[in-house]
Amino acid sequence: DGGITQSPKYLFRKEGQNVTLSCEQNLNHDAMYWYRQDPGQGLRLIYYSQIVNDFQKGDIAEGYSVSREKKESFPLTVTSAQKNPTAFYLCASSMDRGSNEQFFGPGTRLTVL
Amino acid sequence: GQNIDQPTEMTATEGAIVQINCTYQTSGFNGLFWYQQHAGEAPTFLSYNVLDGLEEKGRFSSFLSRSKGYSYLLLKELQMKDSASYLCAVRDDSTGRRALTFGSGTRLQVQP
Repeated sequence: DGGITQSPKYLFRKEGQNVTLSCEQNLNHDAMYWYRQDPGQGLRLIYYSQIVNDFQKGDIAEGYSVSREKKESFPLTVTSAQKNPTAFYLCASSMDRGSNEQFFGPGTRLTVL
Repeated sequence: GQNIDQPTEMTATEGAIVQINCTYQTSGFNGLFWYQQHAGEAPTFLSYNVLDGLEEKGRFSSFLSRSKGYSYLLLKELQMKDSASYLCAVRDDSTGRRALTFGSGTRLQVQP
């Protein structure tokens, strides 16, 4: 089945530790995105990538890093520099042409203790 | 930049009709999306409008007026399972960034 997978669904980390969230898609989409969602709020763009080996900062990139070495994969690292990392993280992908409809993964809820 | 406004919460009765409004300000508008999101889950696509007018898809319809920077999502024959957040998102190509900008979402509570 085609789709986007994120793992794990729940993640706990101690303050000061870096953590990497995975995102894989087999939809052959060119573009991939990372969003953060806080309770009762909309989605805010962290990073996006329109093509392999290229990515751009979104609105709240500070304290995060990404890589796009393969078309299928767009991992997000939450570094210790991110002041308030506890949130729901959503990965999405799109064809990057036409309507640019984005398809979302199931999300990872990160809790920093 | 973009500014997207939608009501925070709405309540409606099972079987009724509800309209969720969204207003936006953007310089390079190239489409408006509505997504449904149940608590703790990923958003799922509902509709896409790029031209003025009404798009109907079963119980859900979406309307766009580009000159007014306005859209609404219309849900008919409400069911309990329609209780969810509804996110309005706009695509702005003016900066070359093709990502979507999302509103804060409207939490809809459907009551028996």
